[in-house]
Amino acid sequence: DTAVSQTPKYLVTQMGNDKSIKCEQNLGHDTMYWYKQDSKKFLKIMFSYNNKELIINETVPNRFSPKSPDKAHLNLHINSLELGDSAVYFCASSQEGDTQYFGPGTRLTVL
Amino acid sequence: GDSVTQMEGPVTLSEEACLTINCTYTATGYPSLFWYVQYPGEGLQLLLKATKADDKGSNKGFEATYRKETTSFHLEKGSVQVSDSAVYFCALRGGSYIPTFGRGTSLIVHP
Repeated sequence: DTAVSQTPKYLVTQMGNDKSIKCEQNLGHDTMYWYKQDSKKFLKIMFSYNNKELIINETVPNRFSPKSPDKAHLNLHINSLELGDSAVYFCASSQEGDTQYFGPGTRLTVL
Repeated sequence: GDSVTQMEGPVTLSEEACLTINCTYTATGYPSLFWYVQYPGEGLQLLLKATKADDKGSNKGFEATYRKETTSFHLEKGSVQVSDSAVYFCALRGGSYIPTFGRGTSLIVHP
């Protein structure tokens, strides 16, 4: 069973479009995260949800909006995509901030 | 705030060579310390962790010791294999659910 899954794995789109990435965890964890990894492998935390409440929002443009319908899901919606949004986006979960369990990543390419 | 500094890569070694990747941290209190590994095309996964001073984490022949006096958590392996080629991230979890990651160190092992 996949612990943390995210879809789609690849996303290619035009500038200005709106897209969503979905994430689900079946570990029963209380906290979920979104990370952005650039081409140099630098990992930047974007959001975290603890029991459906946002607890981090690191200097991320408001074009990015996380949505958590329940404790097991944390989706990422991106409006008006820009070239600089091209990256790999990882979802992760943890219990009380302990070991992070990462999804396989979504490679977003904005043309 | 919390921070993690790890040596820049890439680190290039021949098979069976010894590996050390340095990691130092700044944090208040007593953080938990982690090493994650990212194989090509995959998400990060936990390699090992330590939760208190002088603890040694180990897995797959890798080891790291939590040194509070030097605020370090260096990753070591006595004999690397080609299959160890990956990006390695040092991370800490402080007093909140917010994890802090280093910038990653790429390891390339040649046959």
